[in-house]
Amino acid sequence: EDKVVQSPLSLVVHEGDTVTLNCSYEVTNFRSLLWYKQEKKAPTFLFMLTSSGIEKKSGRLSSILDKKELFSILNITATQTGDSAVYLCAVEEFNTGKLIFGQGTTLQVKP
Amino acid sequence: NAGVTQTPKFQVLKTGQSMTLQCAQDMNHNSMYWYRQDPGMGLRLIYYSASEGTTDKGEVPNGYNVSRLNKREFSLRLESAAPSQTSVYFCASSDRRHHTDTQYFGPGTRLTVL
Repeated sequence: EDKVVQSPLSLVVHEGDTVTLNCSYEVTNFRSLLWYKQEKKAPTFLFMLTSSGIEKKSGRLSSILDKKELFSILNITATQTGDSAVYLCAVEEFNTGKLIFGQGTTLQVKP
Repeated sequence: NAGVTQTPKFQVLKTGQSMTLQCAQDMNHNSMYWYRQDPGMGLRLIYYSASEGTTDKGEVPNGYNVSRLNKREFSLRLESAAPSQTSVYFCASSDRRHHTDTQYFGPGTRLTVL
């Protein structure tokens, strides 16, 4: 059975800290891995990763994929209170476009 | 552009009542999806429509039906609501003709079944 597992499930840090969120997957027909941020509303897109070892970066956020070991990490440096959210990892199936989501990591950044 | 819109935003039903959740997108996307989100479980796919005229079951289809009315609209129907269907429902769409395209989500419908 296809599955996506995120860790940790929750995390509390202070402003300025660096955090690493993990996502491992077992999906038969892998097309891409996506990261979303969710703040009490609809998920908003962060990154799409398709190739191993190529870092995607947007400001203080970055992500990388390892297709051999079947995992991805999302890094957030110099965290701010506005980074508090649920971070969702999802794997897209190749033929159907279906997304298989992990449970999410709830990040709380304290002032 | 409005993107993906959903109605209603909130709904309270009694057990056994029926209702339809509406979703529309104005991005000319081929594929549309319905997910539910429960605490601690991420999003789970209920049904999807790869293109106009086709629908397929996702991970948790029991108790739901869908209609892809046209390219823009994809509705989700609960024929006889149950408390286990209390959840937040998200509609999404994507254009899978482009490899780099992702799914865009609507604002969600918070449904409570008493």
